Amino acid sequence: AQKVTQAQTEISVVEKEDVTLDCVYETRDTTYYLFWYKQPPSGELVFLIRRNSFDEQNEISGRYSWNFQKSTSSFNFTITASQVVDSAVYFCALSETVYNDMRFGAGTRLTVKP
Amino acid sequence: EAGVTQFPSHSVIEKGQTVTLRCDPISGHDNLYWYRRVMGKEIKFLLHFVKESKQDESGMPNNRFLAERTGGTYSTLKVQPAELEDSGVYFCASSQDTGIRELPKNEQFFGPGTRLTVL
Repeated sequence: AQKVTQAQTEISVVEKEDVTLDCVYETRDTTYYLFWYKQPPSGELVFLIRRNSFDEQNEISGRYSWNFQKSTSSFNFTITASQVVDSAVYFCALSETVYNDMRFGAGTRLTVKP
Repeated sequence: EAGVTQFPSHSVIEKGQTVTLRCDPISGHDNLYWYRRVMGKEIKFLLHFVKESKQDESGMPNNRFLAERTGGTYSTLKVQPAELEDSGVYFCASSQDTGIRELPKNEQFFGPGTRLTVL
């Protein structure tokens, strides 16, 4: 069965601190996709990244970086030099080839204080 | 290009009443998905349409929920009668078809959600 676990329910940091959001997944499929979405206070889900199971290269996009480790079934998300605008709920999700629905984690609420 | 839109943005109803949520996918997207987030828990899949056909409705919680997508364009999700535990945010998403069976569908674009409160 596929499952996504985000163990951190809430994280609070001070602006300019680095913060890492953890994501651990379970799947029996060998081909799958992992996602991160951001849900700001306005409520919409904003797509951040999609990685497939065959590409373990870490990715960096500005202040955002992702660390995909198949050996530990983790896909962690790091924000460097956090800003107040980063405050949101962040969701990790998994999609397999056979099942087209996405399985989401419970989300991590990040609060960045000035 | 317009994104996925959902209507209404908020709905407050009493237990036992009926509510209908609407989702307009991105034009040209054959795949339409409904998800919901209840009581601050994880976002859970409800069902998936390919055009007007229900591809997977394994996530629908019970028969009080009815989803339709007549004509393969917009979709409605009706809750009748609504119960307290139905309160939450209902998200709709759409994606293009990759046309390749072995690959997951393309990236899903999410709408802003409808916040449903059942009193």
